[in-house]
Amino acid sequence: ETGVTQSPTHLIKTRGQQVTLRCSSQSGHNTVSWYQQALGQGPQFIFQYYREEENGRGNFPPRFSGLQFPNYSSELNVNALELDDSALYLCASSLAGVDTEAFFGQGTRLTVV
Amino acid sequence: GQNIDQPTEMTATEGAIVQINCTYQTSGFNGLFWYQQHAGEAPTFLSYNVLDGLEEKGRFSSFLSRSKGYSYLLLKELQMKDSASYLCAVRDSNYQLIWGAGTKLIIKP
Repeated sequence: ETGVTQSPTHLIKTRGQQVTLRCSSQSGHNTVSWYQQALGQGPQFIFQYYREEENGRGNFPPRFSGLQFPNYSSELNVNALELDDSALYLCASSLAGVDTEAFFGQGTRLTVV
Repeated sequence: GQNIDQPTEMTATEGAIVQINCTYQTSGFNGLFWYQQHAGEAPTFLSYNVLDGLEEKGRFSSFLSRSKGYSYLLLKELQMKDSASYLCAVRDSNYQLIWGAGTKLIIKP
């Protein structure tokens, strides 16, 4: 148990729809990162939030957006879903400025049909 | 560009030792991580190296050479439950994790 929880665990959406994924970070952690992991691949960095501000972004289009709240929980929003968005979405929390590992939630398996 | 290479798949025998290699080219370096990931689950932390040398933690050890851009994960006394993917990740100058594609380790009795 890492203390990082994601919801929902599984989700099926139709192409063109919008989806919101949620993440509660580990107590005391102020940084949340989101990753997309396709089957058989390593995680791909989407973006990172630090104290409610986006603090880095990977090579993902603007239809991928996020929020971080004052309690450091976070949301990932994806608009205009495409079939290729089907993947495991992972949230990881960490403490900025401290050389520790990131702790992952169990992930949300998104299927776009 | 940033690149992390590790073998796609390895096979080993229960009770044996296996070494999984990782080479990297990244924009800056702020540590290298190894994670274990069972199918359909989230990655779990195994080890962290920021200085050259060997870090040992029970049956698992990890080595880093920053000058060579190289690391390995050594697993001893392999157990069937060690069958999983092993992911190498480097934290770059922006403190973001860059991941390899993972090495699928198959343990045979």
